[in-house]
Amino acid sequence: GQNIDQPTEMTATEGAIVQINCTYQTSGFNGLFWYQQHAGEAPTFLSYNVLDGLEEKGRFSSFLSRSKGYSYLLLKELQMKDSASYLCAVAPTDKLIFGTGTRLQVFP
Amino acid sequence: GAVVSQHPSRVICKSGTSVKIECRSLDFQATTMFWYRQFPKQSLMLMATSNEGSKATYEQGVEKDKFLINHASLTLSTLTVTSAHPEDSSFYICSARVDSAPGARSGYTFGSGTRLTVV
Repeated sequence: GQNIDQPTEMTATEGAIVQINCTYQTSGFNGLFWYQQHAGEAPTFLSYNVLDGLEEKGRFSSFLSRSKGYSYLLLKELQMKDSASYLCAVAPTDKLIFGTGTRLQVFP
Repeated sequence: GAVVSQHPSRVICKSGTSVKIECRSLDFQATTMFWYRQFPKQSLMLMATSNEGSKATYEQGVEKDKFLINHASLTLSTLTVTSAHPEDSSFYICSARVDSAPGARSGYTFGSGTRLTVV
């Protein structure tokens, strides 16, 4: 079976840094994705990792350790607009399986 | 590029009726589409994989006769919720695999979603 876990909720302060963790156990691995989703909208692509290591893209970075089945999304210089759900998704084959999702609330 | 258009964005229907949701790939050919359902404050749950010209593959626990999927062309996949009940009220969203190289901007593109309310 597929199991992808994330913390349910997190809170942080504007301007701070927050790390959202994701652990996974899947039958295959063709990459790990992070998406941002605002309520009632489609997910927006943030990052993709298929090899171990850190991928940096502006204020967002994503890390992957395949041996540990672990990834994290790092958000720097938090802004109020970053309040959203963050979804970790793994492609065990050609389909994407989503984790439980993390609702992030940024406070002033 | 790689846009998926999903319609309708919102639909309200009476219990017992059927509702069809369409997803069209506008500027690429989608041989495979994925259908997800999302309940409030929950993540996306994969319902089925839709393959052009063949039967859809359903995830465990998803009723094939209730959620009919048709992928008759390389640009159109439809999900029909038959005999809808209030518990089917949810956010339905489709996705297509974009055949781009790994590490490209995004390997998957999503429709804008359909909010179904069954009364």
